[in-house]
Amino acid sequence: DAMVIQNPRYQVTQFGKPVTLSCSQTLNHNVMYWYQQKSSQAPKLLFHYYDKDFNNEADTPDNFQSRRPNTSFCFLDIRSPGLGDAAMYLCATSRPRTGPTEAFFGQGTRLTVV
Amino acid sequence: RKEVEQDPGPFNVPEGATVAFNCTYSNSASQSFFWYRQDCRKEPKLLMSVYSSGNEDGRFTAQLNRASQYISLLIRDSKLSDSATYLCVVTDLSGGYNKLIFGAGTRLAVHP
Repeated sequence: DAMVIQNPRYQVTQFGKPVTLSCSQTLNHNVMYWYQQKSSQAPKLLFHYYDKDFNNEADTPDNFQSRRPNTSFCFLDIRSPGLGDAAMYLCATSRPRTGPTEAFFGQGTRLTVV
Repeated sequence: RKEVEQDPGPFNVPEGATVAFNCTYSNSASQSFFWYRQDCRKEPKLLMSVYSSGNEDGRFTAQLNRASQYISLLIRDSKLSDSATYLCVVTDLSGGYNKLIFGAGTRLAVHP
């Protein structure tokens, strides 16, 4: 059974039209991450939550916003998508332990901007 | 300097070959280390954690050298199904929780 679920799997949006990607988890993990991955590149961390504590990476554009209304759900809002925002968006969760702890990924949402 | 650096490959090897991937990281305070596998257009999946003493899981062996800030992954007896991108992941412990930093990955192609 999927533990981190992203919807939709594929999203096509128009240039400049706001779009929201969603992520839900059944693991009850405190930490949730949003990564952006472009072709042949490393997943790039956009932001992450520790419970409701929001942490934005310094180089994440203002065009990207996030909401976490409860432990289970997290949303990525792209206010005005540009062609350069076309990518795979990956949601992940982990426990906040200091020892080795893996991250569990959703299947990703592939965003196309037309 | 990138936080996590990997040789992008691709590594093209025949079935049965032994292949080794290397990874270096820049933050000496990094706490945890992993190898993830990512198939084309799929999400990353944990292959194995990397411990200071080194660890083995079947055909896969991971090593960590903290002094040199270097991680390796050895795959023995390569299978066609091992073809994928292998991502080196390092955690940055900030704010009391792990922030995962990814390398760009090393592509492996195993051929008959």
